[in-house]
Amino acid sequence: SYDLTQPPSVAVSPGQTATITCSGDKLGYRFVSWYQQRPGQSPVLVIYQDTKRPSGIPERFSGSNSGNTATLTISGTQTMDEADYYCQAWDNNYYVFGSGTKVTVL
Amino acid sequence: EVQLLESGGGLVQPGGSLRLSCSASGFTFSSYAMSWVRQAPGKGLECVSAINAGGGTTKYADSVKGRFTISRDSSKNTVNLEMNSLRVEDTAVYYCVKGWDSGFDWFDSWGQGSLVTVSS
Repeated sequence: SYDLTQPPSVAVSPGQTATITCSGDKLGYRFVSWYQQRPGQSPVLVIYQDTKRPSGIPERFSGSNSGNTATLTISGTQTMDEADYYCQAWDNNYYVFGSGTKVTVL
Repeated sequence: EVQLLESGGGLVQPGGSLRLSCSASGFTFSSYAMSWVRQAPGKGLECVSAINAGGGTTKYADSVKGRFTISRDSSKNTVNLEMNSLRVEDTAVYYCVKGWDSGFDWFDSWGQGSLVTVSS
């Protein structure tokens, strides 16, 4: 089975940049999406096709994907960005999610 | 505005059955793939099943293959998940999720979720 590996947690100060990685074999050949899940809420799509933002998602969210690693970057992190973040890709005819990264804004 | 409203969750004994339904509105239902994604308490996300826009292609996670069946009714704008032979490890919040387009790629809208508890 295909695995997507994320760090369990990332801590960031308000106004700084948070970087969340998602690693998988030859991940750069697949499209990666990212979801934000605030405590007690349903997930929300924040990045799709590696780099694209759905309407309504702030510009401070950006994504990249190359080689074996996809990255979600939150620039100028705000307290409202404190949440769990999951990457997702498609492999062998099925959806795969990363294990999730908890972003704490200190 | 896309709205996805799940129903049918609840408490069931191991080995029992349950049917989840999702009523969709705010978009052309017949043009989009639909999925069920679950989240066990304190755990991550797992897509348990998906169905393409036309209903002719379905996908299942290995963990539920042979026990769960997904279906859709475009006349009623609903997608269903029939769950049989339920196990304690199926306990989770089940989200109804809309796909980005007609096939299988990523998820662009999520319902509020329906809690399924499998316990004796």
